[in-house]
Amino acid sequence: ETGVTQTPRHLVMGMTNKKSLKCEQHLGHNAMYWYKQSAKKPLELMFVYSLEERVENNSVPSRFSPECPNSSHLFLHLHTLQPEDSALYLCASSLTGSDYGYTFGSGTRLTVV
Amino acid sequence: DQQVKQNSPSLSVQEGRISILNCDYTNSMFDYFLWYKKYPAEGPTFLISISSIKDKNEDGRFTVFLNKSAKHLSLHIVPSQPGDSAVYFCAAYGTSGTYKYIFGTGTRLKVLA
Repeated sequence: ETGVTQTPRHLVMGMTNKKSLKCEQHLGHNAMYWYKQSAKKPLELMFVYSLEERVENNSVPSRFSPECPNSSHLFLHLHTLQPEDSALYLCASSLTGSDYGYTFGSGTRLTVV
Repeated sequence: DQQVKQNSPSLSVQEGRISILNCDYTNSMFDYFLWYKKYPAEGPTFLISISSIKDKNEDGRFTVFLNKSAKHLSLHIVPSQPGDSAVYFCAAYGTSGTYKYIFGTGTRLKVLA
């Protein structure tokens, strides 16, 4: 258990489905992130929330919609995804100014069929 | 344009020997660097970091070297152990910029018993 919990661990969804990924941390961190990990590509930053405000959105398609209702929870709402969106989605949290970078969750392995 | 590059996708090393993982970056604004280790089905975990004011940081079997003029850093693991077999990501950060770390594509290390 890393301190950042992601659910579900695996998700298979059709292109017309709507689903949500959940991330939760109780580390007292004040920033949370969604990353996408595709095979043979660098980790791609998708969204950054700091103090529950979205501070960065890296040109992510609108079929991905983040939500941060409080400093401990982060969601990624998914709708009408494409097969190329299949990837490992990682949530991370951090304390801004910390030397220890991010604490990552275990990720959600998403398959779009 | 990939700002952080790990040009070796994989590396095999005999147990007890030294493992050297390399990372190159292009952005001179980066001034803080981290290495993460990732096991299958888990999120990346922080391993070791270095600030640009240093050229070396050591933590047990792990040492990170930074060559700012060459924009190159390396992670040395000595002696290597089978439990070190994982994917290693290099990440770079500009402390005067936004919150995001830029990650490399990772190097899969296999330590042979």
